[in-house]
Amino acid sequence: QSVLTQPPSASGTPGQRVTISCSGSSSNIGSNTVNWYQQLPGTAPKLLIYNNNQRPSGVPDRFSGSKSGTSASLAISGLQSEDEADYYCAAWDDSLNGRVFGGGTKLTVL
Amino acid sequence: EVQLVQSGAEVKKPGESLKISCKGSGYSFISYWIGWVRQMPGKGLEWVGIIYPGDSDTRYSPSFQGQVTISADKSISTAYLQWSSLKASDTAMYYCARSPTVVNGWFDPWGQGTLVTVSS
Repeated sequence: QSVLTQPPSASGTPGQRVTISCSGSSSNIGSNTVNWYQQLPGTAPKLLIYNNNQRPSGVPDRFSGSKSGTSASLAISGLQSEDEADYYCAAWDDSLNGRVFGGGTKLTVL
Repeated sequence: EVQLVQSGAEVKKPGESLKISCKGSGYSFISYWIGWVRQMPGKGLEWVGIIYPGDSDTRYSPSFQGQVTISADKSISTAYLQWSSLKASDTAMYYCARSPTVVNGWFDPWGQGTLVTVSS
């Protein structure tokens, strides 16, 4: 059972906007920054969002992140077939003194 | 180009030892942390631990403390993850990744992964 809670699955049709939630607590999301990773099938994870809402160079602006209190969200607008992947949130946990990941959300583009 | 290249896949028997590697290039190896992440077959990501090659400061996840050892050789820009006695439950893909800080840092880039299979 992961410290950060994500829905196991999400779906949308091409062009739609989907959001993926990540719920934590005061010891992780509530007091530290959140990062998001995308893992395409059979590949290593890739950084998508850092510091809650910052996009690394090369990541399309269709991807955006936000944080409020002890929860965070990843939004994907203009959904494309190549967005079909697993998405993970992550943050530092002050109580565990380590980084924690969400369980991952499998995004299906219908 | 910043790059992390990991050693190749390993097949081991229970009780054997193993050391896998992660070589950094394209940046100052001693100025960034290198973390390790486990992904068991069909499962999610788990943080194993992290090391600062500049001074070998190392932190472990409570779940992995005492089970693995993380080290680094800054002279050859390489970080390591090792086991002294493997178990079947260590079978997984292991990724290394670079991070600017320990606490509010992020992993970027990631290595390609090393698949470790432990089977009798």
